Amino acid sequence: DTGVSQDPRHKITKRGQNVTFRCDPISEHNRLYWYRQTLGQGPEFLTYFQNEAQLEKSRLLSDRFSAERPKGSFSTLEIQRTEQGDSAMYLCASSLGLAELPTDTQYFGPGTRLTVL
Amino acid sequence: AQSVTQLGSHVSVSEGALVLLRCNYSSSVPPYLFWYVQYPNQGLQLLLKYTTGATLVKGINGFEAEFKKSETSFHLTKPSAHMSDAAEYFCAVSVSGNQFYFGTGTSLTVIP
Repeated sequence: DTGVSQDPRHKITKRGQNVTFRCDPISEHNRLYWYRQTLGQGPEFLTYFQNEAQLEKSRLLSDRFSAERPKGSFSTLEIQRTEQGDSAMYLCASSLGLAELPTDTQYFGPGTRLTVL
Repeated sequence: AQSVTQLGSHVSVSEGALVLLRCNYSSSVPPYLFWYVQYPNQGLQLLLKYTTGATLVKGINGFEAEFKKSETSFHLTKPSAHMSDAAEYFCAVSVSGNQFYFGTGTSLTVIP
């Protein structure tokens, strides 16, 4: 299966530690998105890449968050100095990127569940 | 600003009964509307989407939704529920196409 994969699936860390998550999109997908989902809520958009360029960032993405997609393939999301409020499911999605955005279907990965103690 | 309201965080239906999951949106410009389904321990999967054209949209697994501009609604329906339909359903709206605003989700339980 060549769907979107995320690693790790679960991460438990102590407050103040740094964490990094990885997302591998579907091969040849040009667009990659990061979302955050807290319990009882829908996913919230964090940021979006077109190839290696980070084109949009939500105001939810504080200075402690950084995302990269260095070669236009996999992406990493790093959270520095984690806080308990960062506990959430972090979702990655990718899309082909050849069509106008609304018609460009996003395929989601299973997510990385972060717990900050 | 765009937003989505899903009425009913939990919906239970009997197997074979009609499924109706409600979604109302708020948008100052014509929106693009989506329904996603999330099965346990799996990623979100697109059920259907409305961008332009026909207001009745058919999706996978027998689901469909109708865009009603006058009611600012995009309710999801399925004529006959199946046990495998039990999942979390999310409605989403986008106007720019790159920022999606999701609702809080509706958990569907199918009773045998």
